[in-house]
Amino acid sequence: QVQLVQSGAEVKKPGASVKISCKASGYTFTSYAMHWVRQAPGQRLEWMGWINPANGNTKYSQKFQDRVTITRDTSARTAYLQLSSLRFEDTAVYYCAREGIAVAGTFDFWGQGTLITVSS
Amino acid sequence: DIQMTQSPSSLSASVGDRVTITCRASQGISNFLAWYQQKPAKVPKLLIYAASTLQSGVPSRFSGSGSGTDFTLTISSLQPEDVATYYCQKYNSAPLTFGGGTKVEIK
Repeated sequence: QVQLVQSGAEVKKPGASVKISCKASGYTFTSYAMHWVRQAPGQRLEWMGWINPANGNTKYSQKFQDRVTITRDTSARTAYLQLSSLRFEDTAVYYCAREGIAVAGTFDFWGQGTLITVSS
Repeated sequence: DIQMTQSPSSLSASVGDRVTITCRASQGISNFLAWYQQKPAKVPKLLIYAASTLQSGVPSRFSGSGSGTDFTLTISSLQPEDVATYYCQKYNSAPLTFGGGTKVEIK
């Protein structure tokens, strides 16, 4: 069965960087785009960007364009999200989400989420 | 960027009631609209895509309709397990944006 297992919670200071991971299993990793979506406390879901694991091509939301990097390691079946210059408002749960088998741009499987807390 | 607006932001209904949630796009998005259910402390779950196509395994009491700028999610007979926040999401082009959510509770 499809599983996306994310790395554990992180606590970072403002201005620092963080890199979290999402390990995929149960399907061909290179066949489906992987997206990253975040949810700040009490807020709506917010799409950050995606990667094509087959070739490493990425696309980012303009909001995060200068601070986010999404990469992958195909041998490890793992996608990564790196966010730099952290701010208090980056405190959120960050999800990886596999692109839908039927429709590009939808998300049919989600990781369990990684809480990133930005605190001084 | 296209903005997605949901209404109401919350609602309370009785078991068995018909519940309707509305999502409006600031520009036309054809039928590139998905609905997700997020139960408390859980990850989102895809319910509907292409505005009206039910994801495999989703109960038939859920349905979606609409095209262009106006969309609806309907629960034909509300069940206790439907307590959740529901989000619409447009996916015609990046950025892939979500609505603000509608919290559904049991009266």
